[in-house]
Amino acid sequence: DIQMTQSPSSLSASVGDRVTITCRASQTITKYLNWYQQKPGKAPKLLIYAASTLQSGVPSRFSGSGSGTDFTLTISSLQPEDFATYYCQQSYITLPSFGGGTKVEI
Amino acid sequence: EVQLVESGGGLVQPGRSLRLSCTTSGFSFGDYPMSWIRQAPGKGLEWVGFIRGKAYGGTTDYAASVKGRFTISRDESKNIAYLQMNSLKTEDTAVYYCTTSDNYICFQYWGQGALVTVSS
Repeated sequence: DIQMTQSPSSLSASVGDRVTITCRASQTITKYLNWYQQKPGKAPKLLIYAASTLQSGVPSRFSGSGSGTDFTLTISSLQPEDFATYYCQQSYITLPSFGGGTKVEI
Repeated sequence: EVQLVESGGGLVQPGRSLRLSCTTSGFSFGDYPMSWIRQAPGKGLEWVGFIRGKAYGGTTDYAASVKGRFTISRDESKNIAYLQMNSLKTEDTAVYYCTTSDNYICFQYWGQGALVTVSS
């Protein structure tokens, strides 16, 4: 199994801030890394797939980078609607796994 | 528009069974993999298992935590995916989401979720 570790587990930020979330895999996953956003009581929403490809309809302030074992999700200018929990997920092997989540709070 | 609607959730006693359904529309059902992902109250996301599309023989894979107890199937004539859950444990309590994608890389589309509570 591949373990996914996100950091931090939570962070406080303000509207307009640049926010960076890190995800580390326990072994190389090349670029098979996806990011999701989840708001309370709602299903997760795909933001970025294959490490850096923006899902259709997702604002360009979201970006992803990285390869191998270390990945980053960046929100260039935090908006009120971005306060949520973010998860990374690897799809390198048949058995996908998620990071523990990062809660972005005011 | 892709739509996924889960149903069949509820309260069930430990050791009993429950079947969730995921009714779909808006895409070529037989060609897409169908996955189930769960989220225990206040916890993160856990992949449960998936069933591949026709081109890959409709084979299945499961997380170790549910293997041997849960079974995923699909009805091509009704465009419905199922999650049969047997020998349920209290730790299976969660919101269960069905998901699909036009690839095997990510979880692109999600249902609204179905709450399963396992308690005596």
